[in-house]
Amino acid sequence: QVQLQESGPGLVKPSQTLSLTCTVSGGSISSGSYYWSWIRQPAGKGLEWIGRIYTSGSTNYNPSLKSRVTISVDTSKNQFSLKLSSVTAADTAVYYCAREPYGYNLDYWGQGTLVTVSS
Amino acid sequence: VIWMTQSPSLLSASTGDRVTISCRMSQGISSYLAWYQQKPGKAPELLIYAASTLQSGVPSRFSGSGSGTDFTLTISCLQSEDFATYYCQQYYSFPRTFGQGTKVEIK
Repeated sequence: QVQLQESGPGLVKPSQTLSLTCTVSGGSISSGSYYWSWIRQPAGKGLEWIGRIYTSGSTNYNPSLKSRVTISVDTSKNQFSLKLSSVTAADTAVYYCAREPYGYNLDYWGQGTLVTVSS
Repeated sequence: VIWMTQSPSLLSASTGDRVTISCRMSQGISSYLAWYQQKPGKAPELLIYAASTLQSGVPSRFSGSGSGTDFTLTISCLQSEDFATYYCQQYYSFPRTFGQGTKVEIK
């Protein structure tokens, strides 16, 4: 059973960079045709897709965030990461990592981690 | 960007009811649509993919239909554990987008 777990600071100051890591267990991040994704959800609001990465390093980003987002993968640690630069209060949200089989739906999700942007 | 209109945003129903949730796309997406269920404080869970394929382990009272621009999620006999928020998501093109969500509450 694949499991995903987000980790990283819960509080980030405005204008700084938000950094989160998703650790995958129960299987190799490199096995199979899977993309690895980040999604976020502001409190009381809907879901926003941030972007995804394949283990080759190929990425796709949401154009609304593209200038500030970097997603990377470390296959040796079975992890992938999110960096979001120049954050503002509007970036306060629960951030989820998820697996996307064959570039389709999102079948396994992490539990989510709340990141608050505040001074 | 493919825009999605999900309706209703709030649905009041009773246990045992049959409920339907609609998701309409701004352009055709074939069958590249998924439905998720989210309970408070939890991550979304995949219910249906490819518009009508039930994810393993999901009860058969859930079903999905549609293709192109109009899709429907149906819960045939609402159970207490089904009171939650439901989202549709298209994976036809980038960026992936989600509907605004439908909260199913107890009537």
